[in-house]
Amino acid sequence: GESVGLHLPTLSVQEGDNSIINCAYSNSASDYFIWYKQESGKGPQFIIDIRSNMDKRQGQRVTVLLNKTVKHLSLQIAATQPGDSAVYFCAEKGEGFQKLVFGTGTRLLVSP
Amino acid sequence: NAGVTQTPKFQVLKTGQSMTLQCAQDMNHNSMYWYRQDPGMGLRLIYYSASEGTTDKGEVPNGYNVSRLNKREFSLRLESAAPSQTSVYFCATARDSPNQPQHFGDGTRLSIL
Repeated sequence: GESVGLHLPTLSVQEGDNSIINCAYSNSASDYFIWYKQESGKGPQFIIDIRSNMDKRQGQRVTVLLNKTVKHLSLQIAATQPGDSAVYFCAEKGEGFQKLVFGTGTRLLVSP
Repeated sequence: NAGVTQTPKFQVLKTGQSMTLQCAQDMNHNSMYWYRQDPGMGLRLIYYSASEGTTDKGEVPNGYNVSRLNKREFSLRLESAAPSQTSVYFCATARDSPNQPQHFGDGTRLSIL
């Protein structure tokens, strides 16, 4: 079946460092991927998405990289700030219209 | 512009009680979803509605029913709550075009004793 997973459950960084959160996906036919941020007590918040016809997409302080050869997705956060502390999920488009398959999440801890 | 609003935010039920979780959106999206989130697991789809008047089962529909009341509102009902349904429930919406992100509410934290 489909599965989306993360390599590291917790990532600790210092304020100002760059953070990299990784995700492996299993469905080679997936053509759309999303990163979400979830703060404590809140719902997942959309950060950035990427379609399979792209290898890289940049947003404000965030970059998503897609390596279809090894079915790997990463989220890079530049100059990480304490406000970036949260759980980050990757999701891939699943079977069926508008369905998403979510990973279990990586917790990012940013120390001042 | 509230986005996706879920009520209540917290609820405690006894086993066997019934409960309806409400979700309303002002984003004019056609697609709406209900997920549950449990520790150590990714979000799991319970039911979804591609448009007003249609609903379909997701990955974990047993023990739940849904109603798409109109374009704005999508409710989730537990007819006879069980402790295994203790979870955080999230509603989400999306545009009906392909490859669109889902937008989430802040969840309902439900405990069943």
